[in-house]
Order: sequence, then structure tokens, then C-alpha cells
Amino acid sequence: AQKITQTQPGMFVQEKEAVTLDCTYDTSDQSYGLFWYKQPSSGEMIFLIYQGSYDEQNATEGRYSLNFQKARKSANLVISASQLGDSAMYFCASDTGTASKLTFGTGTRLQVTL
Amino acid sequence: DAGITQSPRYKITETGRQVTLMCHQTWSHSYMFWYRQDLGHGLRLIYYSAAADITDKGEVPDGYVVSRSKTENFPLTLESATRSQTSVYFCASKGHFDTEAFFGQGTRLTVV
Repeated sequence: AQKITQTQPGMFVQEKEAVTLDCTYDTSDQSYGLFWYKQPSSGEMIFLIYQGSYDEQNATEGRYSLNFQKARKSANLVISASQLGDSAMYFCASDTGTASKLTFGTGTRLQVTL
Repeated sequence: DAGITQSPRYKITETGRQVTLMCHQTWSHSYMFWYRQDLGHGLRLIYYSAAADITDKGEVPDGYVVSRSKTENFPLTLESATRSQTSVYFCASKGHFDTEAFFGQGTRLTVV
């Protein structure tokens, strides 16, 4: 079974600053994927970024990057130049198996301040 | 409209009643999933389906029933609703060659 741990229930960051959201995972699978989803107050789940376990380079998508440290089993999300619209709940998740079932962490609520 | 849609968006039901949450996707994705979101737990997998007529249990299947007679639909039924099933329910779908799953808007279910 997979397990995702997000130890930061809430985070604050000032606008235009960078912020790192922590995620550690536990899996016995050799092949797996790591994901970050954003959930704004409106409730929808928005896919942000993906890292495959065999990818050697850290994934980047615009202002989002995933700091993947395989030996430490961590997959932290870095948001650069935070914007007010980044205020949301952020979920780290991993998938396994051919059906790519997702296992989610408990989430980190990010608040961006002026 | 293309995409994945859930209905209803909001539902209040009484304990013991049967309720069905609908999920429809227009992409012909092979995989479909039902998750529930509860404070302190994140999202947890209830059931998933790899194709029409193929379904399997997730982490928290008790009290739920699913079916998938057509590729595009994946309804979730609570046979006898309990207060512990008050939650936000998300349906998701994923194509065989997609990286990420695509989520519906969610259904907020309250059992009174």
C-alpha cells in the first residue's frame, strides 16, 4: 500500500515570494508517479504537475516545480513568485498499478498574503 | 459539453435512503474512479473501473455500490445512507495513455 504524508496543514507566503510544500511518500513499487493537485475554494481539483519515478530531471510547469528526491522519498512542490490566486488547498498524490489509482495526502492549505 | 460531469452538485438525504450519484465523461476514457473527500483524510478511493463491466474496490468501499454498463457512465450508489457518508464525492476519469486523472466538479452529499 502507498502512503502520502503532508506535514504542513497550513502555510502562509507573501505575494511574489517562493514557497515549498512538503510531501513524502512510502511505496514498495519500483514504478510510480507523483502528482500535485490544487483545490481552490470553489472546490474543483486542478492537476498541476507530475513526476515519474524514473524521471531523472525534476518536473517543471511554469511557476511550479517538483523537487524530487528519490532516496529521501520526497516530492516537494515549489511555487515561485506566489500570486493571490495561488491561495488554495494543495494535495500531493501517488499512483500505482495499471489503473493508476491515486493515493492522496491530507493536504496543505496555502494562503498568499499581500 | 466535453469533459466529466457529476450530478447532482448538492444533495441532502435522510439516513437509510438509497441515493445515486451520477458521473458522465465524454472522452471515452478507460478508467473511472470515485473518491470521497473528508477533512483530515484528503481524498480516499471508494471504487474504480478499468473498463465497462469491470469494477474493483478501493480503500473505503463499504456501504457503496457501483456499476459501469457503458464506458461513459459510472454511477455510485449508497444503498442505505448513513451520517458517516456525509462527504464531498469526486468522480475522475483517465485515458490509458494519459498521465493525470481528470476530476468532476464534485458532489456535496449531506446525510441527515
